[in-house]
Amino acid sequence: DGGITQSPKYLFRKEGQNVTLSCEQNLNHDAMYWYRQDPGQGLRLIYYSQIVNDFQKGDIAEGYSVSREKKESFPLTVTSAQKNPTAFYLCASRQNGRYSYEQYFGPGTRLTVT
Amino acid sequence: GDSVTQMEGPVTLSEEAFLTINCTYTATGYPSLFWYVQYPGEGLQLLLKATKADDKGSNKGFEATYRKETTSFHLEKGSVQVSDSAVYFCALSVPQTSGSRLTFGEGTQLTVNP
Repeated sequence: DGGITQSPKYLFRKEGQNVTLSCEQNLNHDAMYWYRQDPGQGLRLIYYSQIVNDFQKGDIAEGYSVSREKKESFPLTVTSAQKNPTAFYLCASRQNGRYSYEQYFGPGTRLTVT
Repeated sequence: GDSVTQMEGPVTLSEEAFLTINCTYTATGYPSLFWYVQYPGEGLQLLLKATKADDKGSNKGFEATYRKETTSFHLEKGSVQVSDSAVYFCALSVPQTSGSRLTFGEGTQLTVNP
């Protein structure tokens, strides 16, 4: 089955520690995205990547970093510089092309920092 | 910038009632429009989409029509079920702009009572 996997589903960290969230897709999609969701709010874009070895900042990139060394993988690191990291993080992917294809989402990782 | 406005929630209905969730947008280009659904603790699933004016997206009894003149994409269902209880997000994407990122509304929580 093709899809997007995110691991782990729940993640707990102490304040001041960096943490990396995994996102893998086997849909052969070129573009991948990271979103943050806070309770009662819509999704906000953190970073996106349209091709391997290239990525762009979204609306709330401060305190986050990403890499795109492989087409299938787009890990997100939440650094200690992120002021309020506790949130639900969603990864998505999309097929590149002339028209706007829909994005497919993973199941999400809920990060709690105390 | 691009933005999406959804009707304020939460919405509570009885089973078999008619559902409308309003969505309006502003966009700098010619957007594609989407409705996503999120069940508790899960990622987002694409419900339906429309890519040009007057297109009607439909899926699982839900419908929405792309109205360019009123910049709207209202979600409707003739008879809701308890299993439709979820959060619904309206979103837009302008092709070839900013990685064809999705811009989301804040979401509308729907609860359907038996």
